Amino acid sequence: QQQVKQSPQSLIVQKGGISIINCAYENTAFDYFPWYQQFPGKGPALLIAIRPDVSEKKEGRFTISFNKSAKQFSLHIMDSQPGDSATYFCAATSNSGGYQKVTFGIGTKLQVIP
Amino acid sequence: DAGITQSPRHKVTETGTPVTLRCHQTENHRYMYWYRQDPGHGLRLIHYSYGVKDTDKGEVSDGYSVSRSKTEDFLLTLESATSSQTSVYFCAISETGNPGNTIYFGEGSWLTVV
Repeated sequence: QQQVKQSPQSLIVQKGGISIINCAYENTAFDYFPWYQQFPGKGPALLIAIRPDVSEKKEGRFTISFNKSAKQFSLHIMDSQPGDSATYFCAATSNSGGYQKVTFGIGTKLQVIP
Repeated sequence: DAGITQSPRHKVTETGTPVTLRCHQTENHRYMYWYRQDPGHGLRLIHYSYGVKDTDKGEVSDGYSVSRSKTEDFLLTLESATSSQTSVYFCAISETGNPGNTIYFGEGSWLTVV
């Protein structure tokens, strides 16, 4: 059972457009919500993250919108570029007996076409 | 890039043979993790370590064992490889176990069990 549901699984966006990836969770114990970016043949890398007491966080062209009451959060990539083509994972983290338990979504493969 | 080296990067092995994957870090981080990545599942935690000789199970630990005899090295062993263990394996590290502490991933080890 997927504790963090991510959609869509794949996304094609024109260069300059807005890419939007959505995630939803059930467990209210989650207290940190990172997004990871993964290029082919590489490991995931932290892109941007948010805590549940904040409704939005922006870093450059990347913005997380967070809706605590709906238990949903999303990644917006403004002015999408071909270099943004990668797989994006949302995640939710909680403290579990002394380590940070990270629950990942299944990933969204983004392709930005010129 | 975080100083994480995984070896081997690619391996093909036969069903029933033992396999050991190695993770070496140069960051002196206390926490180390082994994840597997499979289509439709995102990344799932196999085992983690919170110090030398201190390890614990993750959500998909059956068929795997780990060892950490030095801060910098974390070994993942498949005692008797099965086809269901064909996957991409990622080592990760973090300085602490607190949610919000950045987790850094290695570049992955591709394992095929035939």
